Amino acid sequence: DVKVTQSSRYLVKRTGEKVFLECVQDMDHENMFWYRQDPGLGLRLIYFSYDVKMKEKGDIPEGYSVSREKKERFSLILESASTNQTSMYLCASSPHRGQVQETQYFGPGTRLLVL
Amino acid sequence: AQKITQTQPGMFVQEKEAVTLDCTYDTSDPSYGLFWYKQPSSGEMIFLIYQGSYDQQNATEGRYSLNFQKARKSANLVISASQLGDSAMYFCAMRQWGYGGATNKLIFGTGTLLAVQP
Repeated sequence: DVKVTQSSRYLVKRTGEKVFLECVQDMDHENMFWYRQDPGLGLRLIYFSYDVKMKEKGDIPEGYSVSREKKERFSLILESASTNQTSMYLCASSPHRGQVQETQYFGPGTRLLVL
Repeated sequence: AQKITQTQPGMFVQEKEAVTLDCTYDTSDPSYGLFWYKQPSSGEMIFLIYQGSYDQQNATEGRYSLNFQKARKSANLVISASQLGDSAMYFCAMRQWGYGGATNKLIFGTGTLLAVQP
């Protein structure tokens, strides 16, 4: 079974702090994704990576950065957390590029509260 | 622009009854893929079912089936014989198309919260 793990299920941080959300997948997938989920807005893509050290902006990259130094690990960084970044963050991975029927495999999510 | 619309923010269904969750999509590409995911309260998104635009038959996976009406651009999820464990958020998603074919990105709807009542 594909397993995607996220470092924390719940996080509480203060405004202005630097926050790291870590995601690890164990199936040698090329693609990894970070989403933000908010009520009434569904899932919105923040960043994705299709290879080590490669990244592309998603729909809402402002205020976020990412790092992928190893194939299995994809980190989301909030350089200076703000209250409007309070949300559920979901990491996902998928095995190939360009296959229309490929699903993405999701981690359990991290609920971040910024005070 | 590609878009997924789920117009039902929430639904109730009695245990053992069937329920249909609506999903409409908008795309100008002839080739696309549609997905349904379940998100229980634990938070993890679980893949349920996939439908390709060229598939001749509606997809089925156990109690899940996809009512695919291409002309109407709808891809409704049907859950037969609802169980209490089906209570969850359900998301419809579409593979995003770009230059050179399918991209890795999915576009999600806003979700429907299903509550199964005993």
